[in-house]
Amino acid sequence: DVKVTQSSRYLVKRTGEKVFLECVQDMDHENMFWYRQDPGLGLRLIYFSYDVKMKEKGDIPEGYSVSREKKERFSLILESASTNQTSMYLCATGPTNNEKLFFGSGTQLSVL
Amino acid sequence: AQSVTQPDIHITVSEGASLELRCNYSYGATPYLFWYVQSPGQGLQLLLKYFSGDTLVQGIKGFEAEFKRSQSSFNLRKPSVHWSDAAEYFCAVGEPGNTGKLIFGQGTTLQVKP
Repeated sequence: DVKVTQSSRYLVKRTGEKVFLECVQDMDHENMFWYRQDPGLGLRLIYFSYDVKMKEKGDIPEGYSVSREKKERFSLILESASTNQTSMYLCATGPTNNEKLFFGSGTQLSVL
Repeated sequence: AQSVTQPDIHITVSEGASLELRCNYSYGATPYLFWYVQSPGQGLQLLLKYFSGDTLVQGIKGFEAEFKRSQSSFNLRKPSVHWSDAAEYFCAVGEPGNTGKLIFGQGTTLQVKP
């Protein structure tokens, strides 16, 4: 089974802190994604990556950046956390044929 | 712009009753279509997908969905709901040949009454 591991299940940070969310996959997938999930809004794409050191903006990239130095790891960075970034963050991976995505269990981030 | 609409935010059905969750999309051509399910505290799991061919697709856990091009719909159905089906359900669309970028609907929360 594909395993997509997100480093933390719950995270509490203060406004202005730099926050790192880590995602690791074990299936050698080329594509990795960061989504944000909010009630009533579904999932919205923040950033995605097709390959190592490649990244593309999704629909809501403002306030976020990403890093992909190794194929298996995709990090989401909040340079200066704000309260409106309190949310559930979901990492996903998938092969290039777009057959399906595999999701991690999510990180519930609270910014106080 | 591409979009996905799930008109029902919350649905309650009795165990053993039939279920239909609605999904409408806006897209210039025939997209790839997906239904995902999220159980409490879990990530999303793929239920089924439609890329081409037979417009009635079967998925896991006894779910099926029907693609209707004329209505731009991809509704999810199950003939008899089990208590374990209580979860949040997401419809999503993707570009054919795209590398997996999806647009999700707002989600429908399913509650199952005993």
